[in-house]
Amino acid sequence: AQKITQTQPGMFVQEKEAVTLDCTYDTSDQSYGLFWYKQPSSGEMIFLIYQGSYDEQNATEGRYSLNFQKARKSANLVISASQLGDSAMYFCAMRGRYGGSQGNLIFGKGTKLSVKP
Amino acid sequence: EPEVTQTPSHQVTQMGQEVILRCVPISNHLYFYWYRQILGQKVEFLVSFYNNEISEKSEIFDDQFSVERPDGSNFTLKIRSTKLEDSAMYFCASSPRGLVSDTQYFGPGTRLTVL
Repeated sequence: AQKITQTQPGMFVQEKEAVTLDCTYDTSDQSYGLFWYKQPSSGEMIFLIYQGSYDEQNATEGRYSLNFQKARKSANLVISASQLGDSAMYFCAMRGRYGGSQGNLIFGKGTKLSVKP
Repeated sequence: EPEVTQTPSHQVTQMGQEVILRCVPISNHLYFYWYRQILGQKVEFLVSFYNNEISEKSEIFDDQFSVERPDGSNFTLKIRSTKLEDSAMYFCASSPRGLVSDTQYFGPGTRLTVL
């Protein structure tokens, strides 16, 4: 069975500093995708970044980058130069091709990031 | 930029009543999904839909739930007889294809409150 683990319920970071949000996953699929979503207090789910299991390079998207360590089954999100607007819940999610999963996302419990001025 | 839309943003209903949550996926997307998020908890998959039929459903998606694509644009989730524990945020999502690499784009959600 596929599983996503986010061990940090809450994190604090000073404005303009970098922060790493942890995500580990478990899957027997050979091909899978890892996603990060941001959920501000208004409730919507905003896609941030994607990493494919066969991608050799870590994904980057503006201030977001993904530290992908396949052997350790981890896909940590790094936010550089934090801004007050980054305060939100962050969810790591995985999508696999086999194992009964036709493509639905499996989410972790999330990490609540608070950016301090 | 195209986006997924959902209506209503907030629905309050009495236990035992039927509710229909509506979604308009991104127009060229082929795969549609419903997820729910009970307050303070993680997002859970309910059902996926492709080519006018359910492609997968979770154990949450029991006989009280149904989905439909009544026309070329809307995608609906019906809860036949609501229970208190159905209170949650319901998200619709769509993706272009069913590939592992395809991003699922979420709508803003419908907050369902069952009294």
